[in-house]
Amino acid sequence: GEDVEQSLFLSVREGDSSVINCTYTDSSSTYLYWYKQEPGAGLQLLTYIFSNMDMKQDQRLTVLLNKKDKHLSLRIADTQTGDSAIYFCAESMWAAGNKLTFGGGTRVLVKP
Amino acid sequence: DTAVSQTPKYLVTQMGNDKSIKCEQNLGHDTMYWYKQDSKKFLKIMFSYNNKELIINETVPNRFSPKSPDKAHLNLHINSLELGDSAVYFCASSPQGLNTEAFFGQGTRLTVV
Repeated sequence: GEDVEQSLFLSVREGDSSVINCTYTDSSSTYLYWYKQEPGAGLQLLTYIFSNMDMKQDQRLTVLLNKKDKHLSLRIADTQTGDSAIYFCAESMWAAGNKLTFGGGTRVLVKP
Repeated sequence: DTAVSQTPKYLVTQMGNDKSIKCEQNLGHDTMYWYKQDSKKFLKIMFSYNNKELIINETVPNRFSPKSPDKAHLNLHINSLELGDSAVYFCASSPQGLNTEAFFGQGTRLTVV
């Protein structure tokens, strides 16, 4: 079945690195995604990784995928106050009509 | 130019009423979706359409009826609104293919009183 889990909350100091973790259960995931939601706003796609890759870097963002352990992480380098938001990981499966199954979201608070 | 736009942004209505939320995308995508975000921020898919055809219907009460007049529009009509329908509803679209690189609208906050 499909189940995506994330820790609820992360507090980090400005300038430090943030690491947000996610676990999923379905090994047939095609792509895995990270979305950001600021208060009162929609979801913004940050980055994604294909399931046969193990790492992807995009400026301050690094995605690591451990397919064996079904573990996905998002590292934000040099975290800024503007990074305070809820971060959602999500998986998609081609066989399931490409719907996104989301984790519960991790609320990241960046302290000055 | 807004890629995925929803109207209205806020909707407050009484129980028992019927209401519609509209969604339009100008990205040329083939697939559109409706997601529901509850008060705990949990997001779940409701429907997916591909080229005006229903692909996914995730155990949603039949009071909810999506309509796709063309592939750029996916509207959501809700009959006999209930208190539990209060949520934020997000429309999204994605191109066809393996990668569900979905783009989301700003959401419609529905409050049923």
